[in-house]
Amino acid sequence: RKEVEQDPGPFNVPEGATVAFNCTYSNSASQSFFWYRQDCRKEPKLLMSVYSSGNEDGRFTAQLNRASQYISLLIRDSKLSDSATYLCVVNIRTGNTPLVFGKGTRLSVIA
Amino acid sequence: DAGVTQSPTHLIKTRGQQVTLRCSPKSGHDTVSWYQQALGQGPQFIFQYYEEEERQRGNFPDRFSGHQFPNYSSELNVNALLLGDSALYLCASSLGDNPSYEQYFGPGTRLTVT
Repeated sequence: RKEVEQDPGPFNVPEGATVAFNCTYSNSASQSFFWYRQDCRKEPKLLMSVYSSGNEDGRFTAQLNRASQYISLLIRDSKLSDSATYLCVVNIRTGNTPLVFGKGTRLSVIA
Repeated sequence: DAGVTQSPTHLIKTRGQQVTLRCSPKSGHDTVSWYQQALGQGPQFIFQYYEEEERQRGNFPDRFSGHQFPNYSSELNVNALLLGDSALYLCASSLGDNPSYEQYFGPGTRLTVT
């Protein structure tokens, strides 16, 4: 079983739609969780951290379910500029340890 | 405030050759991590340098080696290149003792091995 698994998509949604991505991780000792966004042929950029209590940043909501070992990202009112690959990222231990990335979920928002 | 920079942007090499990629971390950062991202995959951790030492290493062969300099910049060296080494090589910097461990990525070096 891969450490971090995501549905690769693509998800093709119209502007204004709500879309949700899920991600599962295998190591129950995982400590930190993130969503990164990666545009085509660009570097990944941190979109948001994911906390146990859930967190929201504008149109984006991230949630963590430790019991089921999955992380979700909800995007409301999709914009054309949201088109990108969304990478689920897990940090296994505390401290400055390497990030473990999923393969990413590709989102295309269509006018 | 300069972000993470990498050079070169693109590189074409032939099988068996050696390559050196370079990374300068974000101002104030002292830790550099290298990742390999093959087409259609997420980045895979290669190794991490802190205080000029390799601190952690992913599942990559010894053909992959690195170095960190006193100014915190870093190099990634790959010997005896294989076709499968073609990928985007990403450098990420962070602050060694910062528990938030947010890593900032550079734009990457796209390596093509023919």
